[in-house]
Amino acid sequence: KQEVTQIPAALSVPEGENLVLNCSFTDSAIYNLQWFRQDPGKGLTSLLLIQSSQREQTSGRLNASLDKSSGRSTLYIAASQPGDSATYLCAVPPTSGTYKYIFGTGTRLKVLA
Amino acid sequence: EPEVTQTPSHQVTQMGQEVILRCVPISNHLYFYWYRQILGQKVEFLVSFYNNEISEKSEIFDDQFSVERPDGSNFTLKIRSTKLEDSAMYFCASSISNAILTFGSGTRLTVV
Repeated sequence: KQEVTQIPAALSVPEGENLVLNCSFTDSAIYNLQWFRQDPGKGLTSLLLIQSSQREQTSGRLNASLDKSSGRSTLYIAASQPGDSATYLCAVPPTSGTYKYIFGTGTRLKVLA
Repeated sequence: EPEVTQTPSHQVTQMGQEVILRCVPISNHLYFYWYRQILGQKVEFLVSFYNNEISEKSEIFDDQFSVERPDGSNFTLKIRSTKLEDSAMYFCASSISNAILTFGSGTRLTVV
């Protein structure tokens, strides 16, 4: 059964710092991996989708990498800003053809001005 | 930018009552989903819907739950007889393929 874990659970950094959020999954037979952002009391915003054949994806100051063999993904945020404060979730669908995304517990990020 | 719209944003209901949560997916999307998040816990998959039928459901999605796309634009989740443990944030999502999901902002359901 696929388990998705995220560390750290919470992170507080000063503005301007580069930071790395980690996501690990137990079953490497994933179809893709998606990173989301969740603001308090709000929905989830898709940040980056990495297909299983890809090693990384970039969007602005965000870079996500995927190492299927080791069951890991990282989300790198460059030059963090207070507006980046949110909970970051990673999610995987277990296999191709399923819609049942399994979510991690999230990393709650606070960027201090 | 196209959005998934959910109404109401907050619903309070008495235990045992029926509740219907409503969603308007993005118009050209073909796949529809409901997820929920109990306070402090992970986001959990409930059900997916494609081509006017359920394509997959989780063990949470028992006989008390049903989904419907009554008019080609709305996508609803009905809970027949709510329990206290149904209190959660319910998220609707849609996708054009089974890849990038676009989520709504959620309905907070409180069962009292």
